[in-house]
Amino acid sequence: GAGVSQSPSNKVTEKGKDVELRCDPISGHTALYWYRQSLGQGLEFLIYFQGNSAPDKSGLPSDRFSAERTGGSVSTLTIQRTQQEDSAVYLCASSLVGEGFEQYFGPGTRLTVT
Amino acid sequence: QKEVEQDPGPLSVPEGAIVSLNCTYSNSAFQYFMWYRQYSRKGPELLMYTYSSGNKEDGRFTAQVDKSSKYISLFIRDSQPSDSATYLCAMSESGTYKYIFGTGTRLKVLA
Repeated sequence: GAGVSQSPSNKVTEKGKDVELRCDPISGHTALYWYRQSLGQGLEFLIYFQGNSAPDKSGLPSDRFSAERTGGSVSTLTIQRTQQEDSAVYLCASSLVGEGFEQYFGPGTRLTVT
Repeated sequence: QKEVEQDPGPLSVPEGAIVSLNCTYSNSAFQYFMWYRQYSRKGPELLMYTYSSGNKEDGRFTAQVDKSSKYISLFIRDSQPSDSATYLCAMSESGTYKYIFGTGTRLKVLA
């Protein structure tokens, strides 16, 4: 079946602009994760959604970052007033719920803030 | 100190070599250990998945977990140029969905 998809694949924006990144998880996966991957850094957890439960936003680096998940499927990560340090690859993953279930990653969105 | 440490490399080996990739960690509560492979400009893909200690083998890949030393390894036998990628270790505690990732080791297998 189809894997996790993300759009756009690349985004170049000017400092101060808002951006929206989209993630379509694998059908049937109720858990969805956003990560940020910067050069030389590991994957940094941002936010976790599971079904209708309140999301775990503990990894969001500032209040400029927000995310939502509509209808338990598609998710959007929004970054307001982008800064140059926001430049990174933003990865989305989905999984079945429960411990020990593997996370499947999308190809990522490469964000460049000029 | 980071919870998970991984040598970033790059590691260059000739085709056919045995490759050893390693991660150390500090959290003794980690129970799940994963290795992901990430090709350039792609998302990570799961290679190996181990619960608790021991070895697991899948084709040319072997994952080892030594919880007493807080050390995990991924061995690649008969390495191929197509194995050239960044290898990320990831770990999680029992009862949690959060993975903690290493920074990744960049591997280049020379033909």
